[in-house]
Amino acid sequence: DSGVTQTPKHLITATGQRVTLRCSPRSGDLSVYWYQQSLDQGLQFLIQYYNGEERAKGNILERFSAQQFPDLHSELNLSSLELGDSALYFCASSVSGQHLTDTQYFGPGTRLTVL
Amino acid sequence: QKEVEQDPGPLSVPEGAIVSLNCTYSNSAFQYFMWYRQYSRKGPELLMYTYSSGNKEDGRFTAQVDKSSKYISLFIRDSQPSDSATYLCVTRDGGSQGNLIFGKGTKLSVKP
Repeated sequence: DSGVTQTPKHLITATGQRVTLRCSPRSGDLSVYWYQQSLDQGLQFLIQYYNGEERAKGNILERFSAQQFPDLHSELNLSSLELGDSALYFCASSVSGQHLTDTQYFGPGTRLTVL
Repeated sequence: QKEVEQDPGPLSVPEGAIVSLNCTYSNSAFQYFMWYRQYSRKGPELLMYTYSSGNKEDGRFTAQVDKSSKYISLFIRDSQPSDSATYLCVTRDGGSQGNLIFGKGTKLSVKP
């Protein structure tokens, strides 16, 4: 158990809908990362937050947004969902995200299926 | 060209075999390399990390980086059925201060 929690475990929804994925980082970790894992693309970095502020952005679509709250939990919002958004979404956390050797600890993921 | 390339396998070996997992990377500026292991329906977990070139050993696992050829290897000795998982070759984008760059992973199956 990494100490990172994600809810829900599974989500099934329809095209055009909006969903929210939630992540609680390990106790003491200030950085939260979101990744998308699909069969054809592998794990892709979406976005990083550090202590409530956006730190880095990757291949995140404009239909997706995220935020980190004062209690450090984070939410990833996916809107106008398309079939191609079906994937595993992972949250990871690290102590600071400012050092090359900071280990990222991954949650168990949320499996999103868009029908 | 993807930044980190891995042969996806699958790779099937008998218990006790020596396993060699490999990947290549494209950017010579990468300095920090990791192997993550991902069991089915689980999140990735850090297995080992290495800095720059050279070898690092941890129990049955050895990670090796050859910066001159941009080649990364993970060796598993005396492989066990519990080693069956997907192994992800990972580096880090230093410019973004944090995000990981993953290979697609090699699926390993160790048969008893």
